[in-house]
Amino acid sequence: KNEVEQSPQNLTAQEGEFITINCSYSVGISALHWLQQHPGGGIVSLFMLSSGKKKHGRLIATINIQEKHSSLHITASHPRDSAVYICADGGGADGLTFGKGTHLIIQP
Amino acid sequence: NAGVTQTPKFQVLKTGQSMTLQCAQDMNHEYMSWYRQDPGMGLRLIHYSVGAGITDQGEVPNGYNVSRSTTEDFPLRLLSAAPSQTSVYFCASSYGYEQFFGPGTRLTVL
Repeated sequence: KNEVEQSPQNLTAQEGEFITINCSYSVGISALHWLQQHPGGGIVSLFMLSSGKKKHGRLIATINIQEKHSSLHITASHPRDSAVYICADGGGADGLTFGKGTHLIIQP
Repeated sequence: NAGVTQTPKFQVLKTGQSMTLQCAQDMNHEYMSWYRQDPGMGLRLIHYSVGAGITDQGEVPNGYNVSRSTTEDFPLRLLSAAPSQTSVYFCASSYGYEQFFGPGTRLTVL
């Protein structure tokens, strides 16, 4: 079973700052997911990647297979980016293994 | 497409009561899963299914039953609710590795 660790657990930043959230995993992955959950809200899939880098708007996800590490970056952060960001492995037939999430607060 | 739907959104049960959390998807996905989300524990897999008639246990299956009679529906049954089952429950379906989550059911067991 893959162990998925995220850091930091909590992050508070000022609007406009560059944000980095880290994820490490213990064994090889099939797919690495980044998910977003707003307070009291549902879970939205941001990225799914198994190599390289993906970008969507101000969000960038990277993965280093050799180091078993992935990062989620947010450029020009905004208060609406405040949410829990969750890293997860898997997602094929037998579901996902999740990190415990990073609580991000962006202050105006 | 409605995507993944879950009912009810909120539920309060007394200890020992039974209930079924409903999950349906209209995307013809073969894979479906149930997760629970608890503070400090994150999301954990309860049960999953790889197709109609096929289910298997996840990380925390005790106290829950599932069945998958059709591709669309994957209900989660609590046979005798316990306070430890107070949680937020998410259903998900997937196409390959891409995940689609339902809106969640917030369950409180008194």
